[in-house]
Formats: sequence, C-alpha cells, structure tokens
Amino acid sequence: GDSVTQMEGPVTLSEEAFLTINCTYTATGYPSLFWYVQYPGEGLQLLLKATKADDKGSNKGFEATYRKETTSFHLEKGSVQVSDSAVYFCALDSGYSTLTFGKGTMLLVSP
Amino acid sequence: GAGVSQTPSNKVTEKGKYVELRCDPISGHTALYWYRQSLGQGPEFLIYFQGTGAADDSGLPNDRFFAVRPEGSVSTLKIQRTERGDSAVYLCASSLTTSPQETQYFGPGTRLLVL
Repeated sequence: GDSVTQMEGPVTLSEEAFLTINCTYTATGYPSLFWYVQYPGEGLQLLLKATKADDKGSNKGFEATYRKETTSFHLEKGSVQVSDSAVYFCALDSGYSTLTFGKGTMLLVSP
Repeated sequence: GAGVSQTPSNKVTEKGKYVELRCDPISGHTALYWYRQSLGQGPEFLIYFQGTGAADDSGLPNDRFFAVRPEGSVSTLKIQRTERGDSAVYLCASSLTTSPQETQYFGPGTRLLVL
C-alpha cells in the first residue's frame, strides 16, 4: 500500500539557517504530493503541493520538487524564521482521493 | 469565508459510552473526509463522502465506527462502545471536488479522551 516516510524530528535550527526535511514515498501510479503544516494550537494547513513529476511547489519561501526517479519530495527553505516553528507533514494522494500522511517532523527555530 | 468547523473541540467520555463528533464543511464543498490522528503520528484516513454517500469507508477500524452526511453538508462521526484506544484527535476536512489534485481544508479537530 501507499506510505510516506519523513525524517524524524525534532529538527532544531537557528534563525536564518537553511532547512531541509526529507520525505520519500511509496505509491501506485503517479500520486499528487503535499506538504501540510501544523502551527502550535492550530489546525493542519496546506503549505504547498505538486501534482506531477518535476513540478516544484512553493509558498512562503518553502519549496519542494516532485522527484519521480528518487520517489522524493523534500521540503527546503533558504532562511528559516522563529515563526516557522511547527510540525510539518508530507502526504500523498495516489488517485483515491484520500491522503496518506507521514508521521510529521517537528521544527524548532531559535532566535 | 468560514473554514471547516468541528464540535466539540474536546470530549471526555468513559469507556463503553457512545459519542458523536460533528463536522461543518466549507460551504459548497462536495467532498468531506474524516481522519484520526494519534499522538506523535500523522493523520490516518477513516472515511470520505462525495455528497451524501460514503464513497470510501475502508479506513474505519471496526463496526463501532459509523459516519453520516444526510444532506450532503454537515457530517457526524459516531463511535459506539468507546474504548481507551479510541483516544485521539479526530480531524475533518473538505474539498471542492474529490480530484486527487484538489486541496483538502482541515478543521481544528475534536480531541477525544476515553477514560
């Protein structure tokens, strides 16, 4: 079945550091890929998405590229801020209209 | 406009009791999803509706769990004979259509604690 594997957290960075959160997946067909973010005390929000191979999703300075050859969708940001502290979830939809999520990666950014 | 809302935000119950969790999707969204998130885990799919009908209920863990959406808008997740293992955050999401490329918008969740 479908599955998503994310790097374990917490990831602890200083402000303005470079961020990478790894995500790899196993799926049938050609899934759509998503990054969701959960800020403290808030609900899940879509951060970015990519629907076909080589697409790059981007939002709020975050980027992720859909790599079919490595079945990956790593999340990156060039310079993190304290306000980016949250839990990040990688997810896929392999065409059945339901999302399969990874376990989440907590990001802690200190000033 | 208003997002997805869920009530109650917290529910504490005793083992063996019956609970109902409510979801109000974004107006006009035809698809509605229920997920369950245990501590330290990502959300896991339970069931989704296209209109009034359950299009896929393969994620429901057993027959104690049931969900309805009688008028194609509000949905209720019903759990009978609750067990301590049912304790989790129950998330509802809605989307305009069921296309796999469509964004699902999540509610704040109902935190269920079974004592």
